[in-house]
Amino acid sequence: ETGVTQSPTHLIKTRGQQVTLRCSSQSGHNTVSWYQQALGQGPQFIFQYYREEENGRGNFPPRFSGLQFPNYSSELNVNALELDDSALYLCASSLAGWGNTEAFFGQGTRLTVV
Amino acid sequence: GESVGLHLPTLSVQEGDNSIINCAYSNSASDYFIWYKQESGKGPQFIIDIRSNMDKRQGQRVTVLLNKTVKHLSLQIAATQPGDSAVYFCAETGTASKLTFGTGTRLQVTL
Repeated sequence: ETGVTQSPTHLIKTRGQQVTLRCSSQSGHNTVSWYQQALGQGPQFIFQYYREEENGRGNFPPRFSGLQFPNYSSELNVNALELDDSALYLCASSLAGWGNTEAFFGQGTRLTVV
Repeated sequence: GESVGLHLPTLSVQEGDNSIINCAYSNSASDYFIWYKQESGKGPQFIIDIRSNMDKRQGQRVTVLLNKTVKHLSLQIAATQPGDSAVYFCAETGTASKLTFGTGTRLQVTL
């Protein structure tokens, strides 16, 4: 167990809808990163939050947005869902604002867009 | 652009043998590398990491080797067990605050 928890574990949404995914980071970690993992692929970086500010973003459109709260938990919001958004969404927590420290992943949220 | 690739999509190893999983990276600015294990339906599990100022690091039954000259990373698993069956990813990070993953290698352990 990594101490990183994500909710919900599975979700089915209709194209065009909006979704919010949640992540609680490991105790003591102040940085949360979100990744999208399509079936059979490696995780792709969406963005990272450090001390409630976005600290780096991957090649994802603005309809992917996020928040980090004072307790370092985080949300990933996706608007105007598309079929290609179907994937496993992973949250990772780490201690520092930079990527070069151990990052521990949650179990992920499986999102299916129909 | 940046990329992390793996040479073999599937590796089949007999129980008790040693496994070697290879990874090539293209970003010469990468200074930190991690190997993850991912079992079906689970998130990636941290196995071992190595920084660019090292060329070898050992853990319990696992060893990571880094060759910066040819931008190559490998994971060696000693005495492979059925519980080692999973998809293995290498990931790298440099000055950006993100991990870049490869597509993964599936390790199948046969009895």
